Amino acid sequence: KQEVTQIPAALSVPEGENLVLNCSFTDSAIYNLQWFRQDPGKGLTSLLLIQSSQREQTSGRLNASLDKSSGRSTLYIAASQPGDSATYLCAADRGSTLGRLYFGRGTQLTVWP
Amino acid sequence: EAQVTQNPRYLITVTGKKLTVTCSQNMNHEYMSWYRQDPGLGLRQIYYSMNVEVTDKGDVPEGYKVSRKEKRNFPLILESPSPNQTSLYFCAIRGVRGEQFFGPGTRLTVL
Repeated sequence: KQEVTQIPAALSVPEGENLVLNCSFTDSAIYNLQWFRQDPGKGLTSLLLIQSSQREQTSGRLNASLDKSSGRSTLYIAASQPGDSATYLCAADRGSTLGRLYFGRGTQLTVWP
Repeated sequence: EAQVTQNPRYLITVTGKKLTVTCSQNMNHEYMSWYRQDPGLGLRQIYYSMNVEVTDKGDVPEGYKVSRKEKRNFPLILESPSPNQTSLYFCAIRGVRGEQFFGPGTRLTVL
């Protein structure tokens, strides 16, 4: 079974800082690694998808990298803003159970003005 | 853009009263699934469907049923809800690249 861990569990930073959120997974035979954002009481918004043949993806101020050999993914947020405050979840599938996502517990991010 | 809708969004019910949470998609994707989210436990898959009439158990299927009679819809059925099924439920679809899109969630409380 795929185990996904996210560090740190919570992070509080002033506006403007560059951030790194970490995600590790136990089974390197993944197909996809996906990062989501979840606002309190709301659904999951897909931020970035990294397929197994890729090493990174970028969208605006977000950059996600994937290192399958070490079982790690990082989400880099540049020039953080208060609107970035949310819980960030990473999810990895597993080659043998294609489609089932295994989620980390998330990093709760607070960006204060 | 892929869109997943769920109904109802909020539901309070009593133990043993059968209920159905509906899920529908607008993109004709084959793969659909249900997750539940609980504090301290994160998101866990309940059931999934690879296509019409093809369903299988996820990690926590006990107490739930699903059906996939048409590609668009994937309802989650609780035949006899219990308080431990109080949770936030999400329906998800998987796009052609493997990216998954989630519905807005259904918050269920079983008294």
